[in-house]
Amino acid sequence: QQPVQSPQAVILREGEDAVINCSSSKALYSVHWYRQKHGEAPVFLMILLKGGEQKGHDKISASFNEKKQQSSLYLTASQLSYSGTYFCGTDFYNQGGKLIFGQGTELSVKP
Amino acid sequence: DVKVTQSSRYLVKRTGEKVFLECVQDMDHENMFWYRQDPGLGLRLIYFSYDVKMKEKGDIPEGYSVSREKKERFSLILESASTNQTSMYLCASSLPTGNSPLHFGNGTRLTVT
Repeated sequence: QQPVQSPQAVILREGEDAVINCSSSKALYSVHWYRQKHGEAPVFLMILLKGGEQKGHDKISASFNEKKQQSSLYLTASQLSYSGTYFCGTDFYNQGGKLIFGQGTELSVKP
Repeated sequence: DVKVTQSSRYLVKRTGEKVFLECVQDMDHENMFWYRQDPGLGLRLIYFSYDVKMKEKGDIPEGYSVSREKKERFSLILESASTNQTSMYLCASSLPTGNSPLHFGNGTRLTVT
């Protein structure tokens, strides 16, 4: 049931764009996105509820395709501060935070 | 701001010892969770609790137990630590609604020798 994230790792130059995908084999109620910097706690970015909505957060946005059971995180004009590991967390039953996380995508932004 | 505090940043224990990992949150959240983080595997759910005295198994509960005697505190117990339990342990809390984010502690890096 663990969602699959792709790619596993990506290296960008400042200003470049990236897309991180999160795919589930099971129908989803919602998808959460978190970023974890090295040695720190994961930090919440955004939640996508079923309905195919797209949300934005500065130059980071995400979409949720309920039909494909997939969410994508879009990082636009990347900054050095975007470096870290990105995790998607899937909620199958609206169970108040009981998330199943993907294996993570390591993003490195170079000057 | 929600604060989730884990009592130890680093712990080193011997095989067979009983280990307690403590987690306290200060925002009156009903839900609390223990995750284990290993490279390439992401975060895996060990146990969670939706209320005091209540607990439910996550995906990898074997070798672990939990205790929630007070709303703000959720303890993870390794009854007899083994080397394959060497890992980073993350505690999190949230409100009880389905679209509430998780708030994580800084983690406890446990090494079992």
